[in-house]
Amino acid sequence: QKEVEQNSGPLSVPEGAIASLNCTYSDRVSQSFFWYRQYSGKSPELIMSIYSNGDKEDGRFTAQLNKASQYVSLLIRDSQPSDSATYLCVIQGAQKLVFGQGTRLTINP
Amino acid sequence: DVKVTQSSRYLVKRTGEKVFLECVQDMDHENMFWYRQDPGLGLRLIYFSYDVKMKEKGDIPEGYSVSREKKERFSLILESTSTNQTSMYLCASRDPAVSTEAFFGQGTRLTVV
Repeated sequence: QKEVEQNSGPLSVPEGAIASLNCTYSDRVSQSFFWYRQYSGKSPELIMSIYSNGDKEDGRFTAQLNKASQYVSLLIRDSQPSDSATYLCVIQGAQKLVFGQGTRLTINP
Repeated sequence: DVKVTQSSRYLVKRTGEKVFLECVQDMDHENMFWYRQDPGLGLRLIYFSYDVKMKEKGDIPEGYSVSREKKERFSLILESTSTNQTSMYLCASRDPAVSTEAFFGQGTRLTVV
């Protein structure tokens, strides 16, 4: 089993709808969880971090964490074409960050 | 703003050549990382460094070595390139005392022919 699993997509969502990105992880002791966004040909950039169970909202983005289920998700409300990118789920391991393979999201105008 | 700079955006090398990929960060970060990114495989950790002259193997260290003689600079060395090392290489840095966020360089696209 991979340490961090994401559906690679592509995930296609109409403009204005909610995009839902999901991630599961295997290391129960992980305490820090991140979502990075990567545009084609660019480097990853941090968009959300979450450390405790529940929801964390930042503008149109909501991160959700359920440690018992080892599940973390990212919701994007009112999706815009500029949200089209690959979204990377990242788990803080003992000393390093472990990346999922990424989900490619396309927002259709 | 944190700046992580990689020495080259694009490199083309012949099989068997030696390659140095340089990464410099300007925020006095202790931790530095080298990843490679391949379609369908995501980012995989090659090596990381906690501090000057300290290094740890990541998940795929074979065929690579690293050097960290100064805090701001972390070099990835490919002693004898092979075609399976064709990839996007990403450097990152982080200050674990302040934040767990990692800041990335712009990436180096290496093609080995």
